[in-house]
Amino acid sequence: AQSVAQPEDQVNVAEGNPLTVKCTYSVSGNPYLFWYVQYPNRGLQFLLKYITGDNLVKGSYGFEAEFNKSQTSFHLKKPSALVSDSALYFCAVRDGVGGYQKVTFGTGTKLQVIP
Amino acid sequence: KAGVTQTPRYLIKTRGQQVTLSCSPISGHRSVSWYQQTPGQGLQFLFEYFSETQRNKGNFPGRFSGRQFSNSRSEMNVSTLELGDSALYLCASSTAGTANTEAFFGQGTRLTVV
Repeated sequence: AQSVAQPEDQVNVAEGNPLTVKCTYSVSGNPYLFWYVQYPNRGLQFLLKYITGDNLVKGSYGFEAEFNKSQTSFHLKKPSALVSDSALYFCAVRDGVGGYQKVTFGTGTKLQVIP
Repeated sequence: KAGVTQTPRYLIKTRGQQVTLSCSPISGHRSVSWYQQTPGQGLQFLFEYFSETQRNKGNFPGRFSGRQFSNSRSEMNVSTLELGDSALYLCASSTAGTANTEAFFGQGTRLTVV
């Protein structure tokens, strides 16, 4: 079975400071990892994904994520937070083994960027 | 390119009634997935359709069902509504639904059961 954990319900960061939103995962095969963002009363928007290759993945709006196989983590990062980054962030995982697998989402982390 | 379209955006239904939600995927996308989002349970996977076939199913009772048409449009039906079915229902589409493809989400249908 696959699973994903987002240990922080909320992350507060001052505008201009770097931000990190944490995600750890568990799969039996190779992980396919995704980050999505959700603004109030909206659907989720795709930010970035890790499939294979370079451990540092760059995505939309200046976000990046680092894949760490030994720590089974895929933390989302941004060098300088904007107030407009305030939203709900979801990490998701899909196991690459065993045919098609459904996507499993984390519980979400609310990011609050303080002006 | 038009995004994923869900209709209606808002619904209010009474307990015991049934409801049908609609999802039009991005043109060319053959995979459509449905999710239920609630504050307490987060995002829960309902089911996924690909080329009119249900390819995967989450842990929801049989009151929740879906289908996909030949043009990839999908509908989700909930029968005998319960208060706990109140949620944001999200539809997502992707090209082929392979493991490495990202999903594109609609804005959701907010269902309130009273």
